[in-house]
Amino acid sequence: DTAVSQTPKYLVTQMGNDKSIKCEQNLGHDTMYWYKQDSKKFLKIMFSYNNKELIINETVPNRFSPKSPDKAHLNLHINSLELGDSAVYFCASSRKQGGGTDTQYFGPGTRLTVL
Amino acid sequence: QKEVEQDPGPLSVPEGAIVSLNCTYSNSAFQYFMWYRQYSRKGPELLMYTYSSGNKEDGRFTAQVDKSSKYISLFIRDSQPSDSATYLCAMIRGSNSGYALNFGKGTSLLVTP
Repeated sequence: DTAVSQTPKYLVTQMGNDKSIKCEQNLGHDTMYWYKQDSKKFLKIMFSYNNKELIINETVPNRFSPKSPDKAHLNLHINSLELGDSAVYFCASSRKQGGGTDTQYFGPGTRLTVL
Repeated sequence: QKEVEQDPGPLSVPEGAIVSLNCTYSNSAFQYFMWYRQYSRKGPELLMYTYSSGNKEDGRFTAQVDKSSKYISLFIRDSQPSDSATYLCAMIRGSNSGYALNFGKGTSLLVTP
């Protein structure tokens, strides 16, 4: 009964490929996020969706496209993968829009390695 | 200059020591301050949050915020080997487009028995 789950846990792929990472939350939250943690452990917001609507879109290459089929799912599709995309990608969710005391709950992460 | 600065460590202390972890920030718009703990190969989990300047205590953990100096701290008393993890400070700036956590780089802590 994991609260925020991601698949796959590990992803190893060649440069130029297209891949997707899936995220699901069973907490009934309205808002979901994608964060990227680079090799230096720096965690940075990429996207945020509230009730299937995009509300945060940081400076991310448009090779990255989030898709929210319903408010419990937020998938991340990456086209034409590059070496610099290698990182751990974390999905998170919060009850509302994450302000103040609205805790963000993180998934276990997907470790992407681009060769 | 990044909005949130945090010394990455690593920090190694003996069991029972008092640990002090710190972050500084540059954006006055930050209103809420959090500390997340991240074990190796796991997602971050919220440890504590504070809103106003001052101290907040929860068991062995005390979070301190000084908005005038733009400085936050986390103190861990009677540190245990199970406290060994990376500690990330995080802050929220409000905006009409929603809220996103702004993280420091994290401080790696090792508590040795």
